[in-house]
Amino acid sequence: LAKTTQPISMDSYEGQEVNITCSHNNIATNDYITWYQQFPSQGPRFIIQGYKTKVTNEVASLFIPADRKSSTLSLPRVSLSDTAVYYCLVGDIRRSNTGKLIFGQGTTLQVKP
Amino acid sequence: ETGVTQSPTHLIKTRGQQVTLRCSSQSGHNTVSWYQQALGQGPQFIFQYYREEENGRGNFPPRFSGLQFPNYSSELNVNALELDDSALYLCASSPGLAEETQYFGPGTRLLVL
Repeated sequence: LAKTTQPISMDSYEGQEVNITCSHNNIATNDYITWYQQFPSQGPRFIIQGYKTKVTNEVASLFIPADRKSSTLSLPRVSLSDTAVYYCLVGDIRRSNTGKLIFGQGTTLQVKP
Repeated sequence: ETGVTQSPTHLIKTRGQQVTLRCSSQSGHNTVSWYQQALGQGPQFIFQYYREEENGRGNFPPRFSGLQFPNYSSELNVNALELDDSALYLCASSPGLAEETQYFGPGTRLLVL
């Protein structure tokens, strides 16, 4: 499974748009890009997944350029409750068949009032 | 809420003891994975169970073992506890193998003294 690199931490203010970029230079053809969110003392929660171009759901958008060597999670108009750790994962969950998700250190997002 | 519950929420053990952690998956989810999350780190995959059999294992010694039961519950057992076993233990369930989304429980915080 491909290794990912993301910033250790980011700060933002309420109401701003936040973009977290993840690098995955050795992504494989069959790999998907998945983002999870984790609040303190809770388990990670699935946010969004994509393969290429743009994916949007009610929580976030995921932008993936044509070469797929990076991806950007976009959180529109963040609030204090978006303060959490965000993990970027790359892999072909569907083919791995073992349920193995590989988490890095994640990006700690601090939203300030 | 993911519908995945874990017990106990917190636990204190001493080195050399044995511990059993429990997880109740969502109804209908026949796949469960266990993760260990040390403070400040991302979750690390321990193993996965599918239809009551181990279906993949991470880089953890044999003293980490598990069981899965027909009623969508599962256990993680750790023998001969070491200080480094202190962590948050997470279980995650999914409807089947290679599902794109895993649903995590809130975790059990284990402290080994």
